[in-house]
Amino acid sequence: DTEVTQTPKHLVMGMTNKKSLKCEQHMGHRAMYWYKQKAKKPPELMFVYSYEKLSINESVPSRFSPECPNSSLLNLHLHALQPEDSALYLCASSHTGENQPQHFGDGTRLSIL
Amino acid sequence: GEDVEQSLFLSVREGDSSVINCTYTDSSSTYLYWYKQEPGAGLQLLTYIFSNMDMKQDQRLTVLLNKKDKHLSLRIADTQTGDSAIYFCAENPSGTYKYIFGTGTRLKVLA
Repeated sequence: DTEVTQTPKHLVMGMTNKKSLKCEQHMGHRAMYWYKQKAKKPPELMFVYSYEKLSINESVPSRFSPECPNSSLLNLHLHALQPEDSALYLCASSHTGENQPQHFGDGTRLSIL
Repeated sequence: GEDVEQSLFLSVREGDSSVINCTYTDSSSTYLYWYKQEPGAGLQLLTYIFSNMDMKQDQRLTVLLNKKDKHLSLRIADTQTGDSAIYFCAENPSGTYKYIFGTGTRLKVLA
């Protein structure tokens, strides 16, 4: 069982919908991450939060909007997505500082109609 | 930039050893990681090795590191059908939170 919990597990949405992905961890980690993973490919980093502040945005389109309301929660707000945004979205967390192992959730599988 | 290279596919018989190889890119990486991804799941951290080590053993898993050649390998002893998954190596270049993942190796274990 993973210690990083992501909801929902599956999400189907239209291109005009607004939805949110949620991630929660209770390991005391102060760094949290969003990744996008396409089939048969490695995960690609999207965002990094450190101490609830956005520290890395890997040039992600503005239709993806991250939010870190507290040290345990990380959200990804979705609006006006495109079919090519269909993927597995993974959340991860770690202690802050370099060279800390990242712990992943099971992901949300997103399909855009 | 350069990719972290892994062979795409490996097939072994149950009970045999599996060796998954990885060639990484950044010599500043202090830790190197191995993750396992089963179908429909996220990435599970299997093990990691500090760059000043040559070898690390953890139960059925043995990690070998050749820093000169930037080569990392994961050996799974007595491979079981439950080991069937995609295995990713990852490096964490110094000064960044960012992981660079390998291309992934799909391990298939035949009963």
